[in-house]
Amino acid sequence: GENVEQHPSTLSVQEGDSAVIKCTYSDSASNYFPWYKQELGKGPQLIIDIRSNVGEKKDQRIAVTLNKTAKHFSLHITETQPEDSAVYFCAATLYGNNRLAFGKGNQVVVIP
Amino acid sequence: NAGVMQNPRHLVRRRGQEARLRCSPMKGHSHVYWYRQLPEEGLKFMVYLQKENIIDESGMPKERFSAEFPKEGPSILRIQQVVRGDSAAYFCASSPPISSSEAFFGQGTRLTVV
Repeated sequence: GENVEQHPSTLSVQEGDSAVIKCTYSDSASNYFPWYKQELGKGPQLIIDIRSNVGEKKDQRIAVTLNKTAKHFSLHITETQPEDSAVYFCAATLYGNNRLAFGKGNQVVVIP
Repeated sequence: NAGVMQNPRHLVRRRGQEARLRCSPMKGHSHVYWYRQLPEEGLKFMVYLQKENIIDESGMPKERFSAEFPKEGPSILRIQQVVRGDSAAYFCASSPPISSSEAFFGQGTRLTVV
């Protein structure tokens, strides 16, 4: 089955700096890669996703890049704010098949 | 348009009791998924259901766990004879009937077995 790895496990950044989280996946057939943000005591919130027919997608301060050859994808958060502090999960699946395989998550701490 | 609704938010059960977790998908969504999350872990897929059908239950433990999504009413995840190892957060997600991988999650049910 699909195996998704996330690095680093914890990331601390100064407010205003950028944060980058990387994920690798094992199944070359995967073609849909969402990112979820989870705050303490809450459910995962879909923040951005990318499909394998594009290499980059941007939505305001967040962006995702995909390298299909290397089988890795990254989440970029620019101009970080304290409210960006949360656990971020990457996932991978076949498009149309919502059996998502999740990474173990990254704790992002934005220091004011 | 309400999001995915799960109840109860917190559930405490003694060993050997039954736990019933409910999930109402977003309006217009007919696909439901259940995931389990252990502390400081990612989410693990359990089961994928459509109305009155189990599509993929490859992540469900073989014993004591069952799920349904009836024609009317919420989806139910049922755990019989709970053990301490069942303590976890259980999340439900839903997606629309047209082909889409955008899954939206509920706030979860945190099950504690004492």
